[in-house]
Amino acid sequence: GAVVSQHPSWVICKSGTSVKIECRSLDFQATTMFWYRQFPKQSLMLMATSNEGSKATYEQGVEKDKFLINHASLTLSTLTVTSAHPEDSSFYICSAPGTGFTEAFFGQGTRLTVV
Amino acid sequence: GDSVTQMEGPVTLSEEAFLTINCTYTATGYPSLFWYVQYPGEGLQLLLKATKADDKGSNKGFEATYRKETTSFHLEKGSVQVSDSAVYFCALSVTRGGNKLTFGTGTQLKVEL
Repeated sequence: GAVVSQHPSWVICKSGTSVKIECRSLDFQATTMFWYRQFPKQSLMLMATSNEGSKATYEQGVEKDKFLINHASLTLSTLTVTSAHPEDSSFYICSAPGTGFTEAFFGQGTRLTVV
Repeated sequence: GDSVTQMEGPVTLSEEAFLTINCTYTATGYPSLFWYVQYPGEGLQLLLKATKADDKGSNKGFEATYRKETTSFHLEKGSVQVSDSAVYFCALSVTRGGNKLTFGTGTQLKVEL
């Protein structure tokens, strides 16, 4: 099956700094990727849709200036959490549709802890 | 809007017990339905799916039937193993290929010897 690789798998950063998370489709091209966030004991919530070569589409309530998304190539989307605060600590996970849009493939996720 | 409701966990079972995790949904149109599993320290993996009413998805001994009349997609397994311990998410998608997903809150399953 298709593989989506996410890096890093975990990161600890100081409050006020920025963190970049990468999501790569390893063996297929993805013009669209999705970014989700999962708080402890809660479900995954869609944050934004990343579109190759154009602006990302953000879900209601998600600050686009805080969560910068760049989809510069057909195999890479990045999520940058800017000026991170402890409340941004969460599990971030990306997904990409496989060829033919038959299903979504998920990265391993990134555990972000802001101290 | 679209939503998924699944039973709260955690669910603790003995090995070889029967498992049911309930899932109901509300959606406009005709959604595809999914069960994803998240093992400790790992990302989500698709467990099974069904794309239309009365379809039964199955994988690794797990089954779920798309019931349009009851808007349900309950997950079942006849005999669980310790290795099935994980968090199970029910999800739906009204987009092509299930790429923009609405998830339930997840149900943690713990299987003990």
